[in-house]
Amino acid sequence: GENVEQHPSTLSVQEGDSAVIKCTYSDSASNYFPWYKQELGKRPQLIIDIRSNVGEKKDQRIAVTLNKTAKHFSLHITETQPEDSAVYFCAASMKTSYDKVIFGPGTSLSVIP
Amino acid sequence: DGGITQSPKYLFRKEGQNVTLSCEQNLNHDAMYWYRQDPGQGLRLIYYSQIVNDFQKGDIAEGYSVSREKKESFPLTVTSAQKNPTAFYLCASSIVGGIYEQYFGPGTRLTVT
Repeated sequence: GENVEQHPSTLSVQEGDSAVIKCTYSDSASNYFPWYKQELGKRPQLIIDIRSNVGEKKDQRIAVTLNKTAKHFSLHITETQPEDSAVYFCAASMKTSYDKVIFGPGTSLSVIP
Repeated sequence: DGGITQSPKYLFRKEGQNVTLSCEQNLNHDAMYWYRQDPGQGLRLIYYSQIVNDFQKGDIAEGYSVSREKKESFPLTVTSAQKNPTAFYLCASSIVGGIYEQYFGPGTRLTVT
């Protein structure tokens, strides 16, 4: 089945710097790659997603890139702010007879003021 | 925060007792999911359902059971056979298709002593 790996597990950056989180997936049939942000004690919420027919997508300070050949995708956060501190999960969705989403183990991002 | 609800927020049980966690959604979503989240770990899929009266095991289904008698409801029972039930449980729902956002409930923190 699909397996999603995510690195690093923890990341600390100074406010204003950029943060990059990388994920790899195993199933070349996966065609949808969402990123979720989970603040402490709260539910995960979608922040950006990318589909397999697109190489890059940007939404203000966050961007995601996808390399289908290498089967990896990355989240880029620029001009980080303290409120960006959270756990970020990447995920991959594979089309089978029953669709399901496989999540990576998460990256705990700390933005130091 | 409306759309998908879980109750209760905190649940305490004695070892050996079965316990049922509630998940309700009014988003008219066909698909519903149960995840387990342990400290510092990602989201592991327990069960998922694409349609009423049908559900599939996820990666860690042992010791859990579900039902899907109504589109709006997907309760999870943690049985006494689950060896390490203390965790944070998240329910989610989505449109069927695998390429749509999953909406998460607020979660239930279960503590078994």
